[in-house]
Amino acid sequence: EAGVTQFPSHSVIEKGQTVTLRCDPISGHDNLYWYRRVMGKEIKFLLHFVKESKQDESGMPNNRFLAERTGGTYSTLKVQPAELEDSGVYFCASSQVGVGAQETQYFGPGTRLLVL
Amino acid sequence: AQSVSQHNHHVILSEAASLELGCNYSYGGTVNLFWYVQYPGQHLQLLLKYFSGDPLVKGIKGFEAEFIKSKFSFNLRKPSVQWSDTAEYFCAVNRGSQGNLIFGKGTKLSVKP
Repeated sequence: EAGVTQFPSHSVIEKGQTVTLRCDPISGHDNLYWYRRVMGKEIKFLLHFVKESKQDESGMPNNRFLAERTGGTYSTLKVQPAELEDSGVYFCASSQVGVGAQETQYFGPGTRLLVL
Repeated sequence: AQSVSQHNHHVILSEAASLELGCNYSYGGTVNLFWYVQYPGQHLQLLLKYFSGDPLVKGIKGFEAEFIKSKFSFNLRKPSVQWSDTAEYFCAVNRGSQGNLIFGKGTKLSVKP
């Protein structure tokens, strides 16, 4: 079974540019989560999809971030325009829906974003 | 706001030493508890988890963790570490109603051969 994949693995862009990150979850996993780790800080939740619907986007930093999950399969996270503080590692995770959030999230390798 | 505290930022041990990494969380309701590990160059993977039942949980690679509800703790242990355990370890919690994980800052473990 293929794991969670993310593309690209690294991205270096200049401030003001746009970047789009992609996540392919494990097949059959309805839950898809985005997280971010800024250097030196903890991994923080950004948002949660159940199939194609946004279940919780309380962790999104601001309206420069836009996430989509068309058709309930892969997801994209677009940052437009990128700022210096957006640099970090963006993780995607997927899981099967569990009662009482008793689910195991499987993580992708992450996308390392550097905004110069 | 709910938080997860990992007491040690960096732990250095020699092979065969015993390991205990502390984790405390602040939420008082129903929680699910996890330890994830990230080996150098690899992605986060699950070591073990606690949902309910026996508070002593065994995971992969000889790791175990004990949930102590009265102390809001979920400490990770291994009786004898190996060089291959060198990695960053993350404690995480989610609440019974929400799936998103709240992570501690992580503990880097370096094991000297």
